[in-house]
Amino acid sequence: SYVLTQPPSVSVAPGQTARITCGGNNIGNKGVHWYQQKPGQAPVLVVYDDRDRPSGIPERISGSNFGNTATLTISRVEAGDEADYYCQVWDSYSNHVVFGGGTKLTVL
Amino acid sequence: EVQLVESGGGLIQPGGSLRLSCAASGFTVSSNYMSWVRLAPGKGLEWVSLIHSGGNTYYADSVKGRFTISRDNSKNTLYLQMNSLRAEDTALYFCARGLTIFGLVRYASDIWGQGTMVTVSS
Repeated sequence: SYVLTQPPSVSVAPGQTARITCGGNNIGNKGVHWYQQKPGQAPVLVVYDDRDRPSGIPERISGSNFGNTATLTISRVEAGDEADYYCQVWDSYSNHVVFGGGTKLTVL
Repeated sequence: EVQLVESGGGLIQPGGSLRLSCAASGFTVSSNYMSWVRLAPGKGLEWVSLIHSGGNTYYADSVKGRFTISRDNSKNTLYLQMNSLRAEDTALYFCARGLTIFGLVRYASDIWGQGTMVTVSS
């Protein structure tokens, strides 16, 4: 089955840029979606189809996808960005939704 | 307001059964694809099941043959019937609406409920 690999944790100081990666075999050929989840809350879709943002998501959150790595970039990080972030794809070979293991973003 | 509200969770013994419900408002369940996703304690998000608007269903390998996804169009409600429950099924279960743009399924989920907790323990 298709596997997505994320770093368990990323730390960044306020105002800096956080980059969270999501690795998968030829992931550049798939549409990648990203979710933010804070403790005790439901996940929130922050990027879909590699780089598009739902309404209400700030422009400082962006995504890219090429080759074997998709990346979620959060610019001008704020304390409120501290959360778990998950990448997700649809594996058409197995007809399964696949999530990455999640990355905990810590704002120092 | 577009909203999903899950219910039906609780404490259940191993081998038991439980049915989760997900009541939708502000949109029509049968016109969208819908998913169940779970979050086990200390773990990450895990996809459980999906039902397309056309009725096709898909399951994670870990629940196939034990869980059944369905919907009641008259009640605008999604269900997850869970049988032969195991300790490893203990999790917070979310239902979620699939994102469709210009009629194309994107396989992302844009609306989520708050979840219902299932604890499998003797």
